[in-house]
Amino acid sequence: NAGVTQTPKFRVLKTGQSMTLLCAQDMNHEYMYWYRQDPGMGLRLIHYSVGEGTTAKGEVPDGYNVSRLKKQNFLLGLESAAPSQTSVYFCASGFSGRADIQYFGAGTRLSVL
Amino acid sequence: DAKTTQPPSMDCAEGRAANLPCNHSTISGNEYVYWYRQIHSQGPQYIIHGLKNNETNEMASLIITEDRKSSTLILPHATLRDTAVYYCIVRAQAGTALIFGKGTTLSVSS
Repeated sequence: NAGVTQTPKFRVLKTGQSMTLLCAQDMNHEYMYWYRQDPGMGLRLIHYSVGEGTTAKGEVPDGYNVSRLKKQNFLLGLESAAPSQTSVYFCASGFSGRADIQYFGAGTRLSVL
Repeated sequence: DAKTTQPPSMDCAEGRAANLPCNHSTISGNEYVYWYRQIHSQGPQYIIHGLKNNETNEMASLIITEDRKSSTLILPHATLRDTAVYYCIVRAQAGTALIFGKGTTLSVSS
C-alpha cells in the first residue's frame, strides 16, 4: 500500500516553461488537495477536489490549473512557470465525512529560475 | 474554523513524556481537534484527532478539557525521531483546507 505518491520529487524549470505534477493515491479517497509550502508561510491550499471530475480553488490558485479525471489521480499544472512558484508542493487525500483526516505525500521540490 | 494558539517551541529529553498544549477557546460544538506533525523536509503526518473525549492511539494521546477550550497532545516516551513541528488544527467541515498555523517546534535531545 503506497498511500499518496507524488511525481516528480525534484524539478528545475526555466521561467515560462510548463510542467505537470502528478499525485496518485491508492486509498480510494474522495478528496484530494494540492498545497504549497514556502519558508515562514506554512502550507497554503492551491486547489482541491471533492470527487472525480470536480475541482475547486483554494487560497492561492493563480498560475495553476488542476484536473481530476480519475478518482485516484490529481494533476497540478503550471502553464508558464514563474520564480514566485518556487516552492515545495504537497498533495494530500482523504475520505469524505465529518472527521477529515488528510494523508500527505512526500512533496515535490520545484525551483523556477 | 476556530483559531488555535500554540507555544512556538518546546524542548524534551529523550525518553520523557512530551506534553504539547493548544488553546482553542473559540471552538464550536461540531469542530474536531486534529494534530499533525511535520518532520523536516517531509510531508505533514496525521497523529490523532478528537471531538470531546480523550483519545489514544499507537502514536500519542489527546487530552481535551471538559469545556473543550484547550487540549494537550502527549507523546509518552519521546525519541529523537519525534523532533518536528507539531500543528494543532480545529475544523468542522471535511473537504476543505487544513489551516496550518506556525505550530510548536519540538526538539527532543539525548
